[in-house]
Amino acid sequence: TQLLEQSPQFLSIQEGENLTVYCNSSSVFSSLQWYRQEPGEGPVLLVTVVTGGEVKKLKRLTFQFGDARKDSSLHITAAQPGDTGLYLCAGTEDAGNMLTFGGGTRLMVKP
Amino acid sequence: EAQVTQNPRYLITVTGKKLTVTCSQNMNHEYMSWYRQDPGLGLRQIYYSMNVEVTDKGDVPEGYKVSRKEKRNFPLILESPSPNQTSLYFCASSLYPGGGYTFGSGTRLTVV
Repeated sequence: TQLLEQSPQFLSIQEGENLTVYCNSSSVFSSLQWYRQEPGEGPVLLVTVVTGGEVKKLKRLTFQFGDARKDSSLHITAAQPGDTGLYLCAGTEDAGNMLTFGGGTRLMVKP
Repeated sequence: EAQVTQNPRYLITVTGKKLTVTCSQNMNHEYMSWYRQDPGLGLRQIYYSMNVEVTDKGDVPEGYKVSRKEKRNFPLILESPSPNQTSLYFCASSLYPGGGYTFGSGTRLTVV
């Protein structure tokens, strides 16, 4: 069982649709990050959230950190084919030093 | 340009032949880490380092060694590679453990 559970694992949608990806855990995190990875490349950081209830926006992407700092969500509005990729959440537990990744959500946006 | 540089990008080797994958960062980051990425298993941490001469095991350290003699470099050493170490490896660095990570472009290792 992974420390961070992401859902869904796969998502295929049409251009213009909205979507939400979830990242859940029973552990409390001091910080939680979202990354996007293209095939054959390293993950690229999208956002870091550290405060319970925090909401951050990055153009059409909205990230939310749960009040209890155990979960997070990524919402994409009006998805575009350029959003296609693997989305990863990762967290550092309270008093921890390791960054642990969720299993990822593979998103495909069709034109 | 701020970056993490890994070498080589691709490597095919034979079982038992020692190899080193290099990793260097130019951001003066204290925290560096190695991950392997396998289908269905995601990204798993191998080793991490909080500063020079300070290293610790991650989730899957068996068969790997690391060293941190200088702040910028964090090489990954496979003393006797085996086929189950065939994987895509990433080095990453961060200013602090909870901060955002910058990843290298990856090293695809095949052990035959």
